[in-house]
Amino acid sequence: GQNIDQPTEMTATEGAIVQINCTYQTSGFNGLFWYQQHAGEAPTFLSYNVLDGLEEKGRFSSFLSRSKGYSYLLLKELQMKDSASYLCAVMDSNYQLIWGAGTKLIIKP
Amino acid sequence: TAGITQAPTSQILAAGRSMTLRCTQDMRHNAMYWYRQDLGLGLRLIHYSNTAGTTGKGEVPDGYSVSRANTDDFPLTLASAVPSQTSVYFCASSESGGSHEQFFGPGTRLTVL
Repeated sequence: GQNIDQPTEMTATEGAIVQINCTYQTSGFNGLFWYQQHAGEAPTFLSYNVLDGLEEKGRFSSFLSRSKGYSYLLLKELQMKDSASYLCAVMDSNYQLIWGAGTKLIIKP
Repeated sequence: TAGITQAPTSQILAAGRSMTLRCTQDMRHNAMYWYRQDLGLGLRLIHYSNTAGTTGKGEVPDGYSVSRANTDDFPLTLASAVPSQTSVYFCASSESGGSHEQFFGPGTRLTVL
């Protein structure tokens, strides 16, 4: 079966760094996406990785290891507005997105 | 630009009734998708369309139907609603059905009693 695993909830302090992990087992791989979803809102795109390595975009970075079926999203200089759920999704061999249940990130002052 | 819109924002529906959730995008995207999001579960794909005139079944298609008469609109119909269809429904679109980011509408919160 296809499976995406990520922690249910994480807590971090404003100004700190947090790493959200995602492991996956899917039928085929055509890239991994990270989305941000604030409570009651739609998911919005953060990053896309298809090759191994680190992609940096401002305060956010995303890493992929295809051989390990592993990715992480790194958030630096945390701000209160970063409090949200972070969704990991893998595009399978049929080009359909398989979604993790999301990690709720709580930022404390 | 509006991007992608959905209607209604929320709805309470009696079991056994039919309902159509509307989705319209103005980005001229070829691919469109319907997902449901339930607490503790990831987004699950209901139906998709890679281009106008074609549709396909996703992970959880039973009880739902879609049509794609033109590029902009992708309505989702529940023929006879059941309580297990209580969920938040998101419509999304992308340039094509490949590895492109998907843009999401604001969602429709549906409660079936």
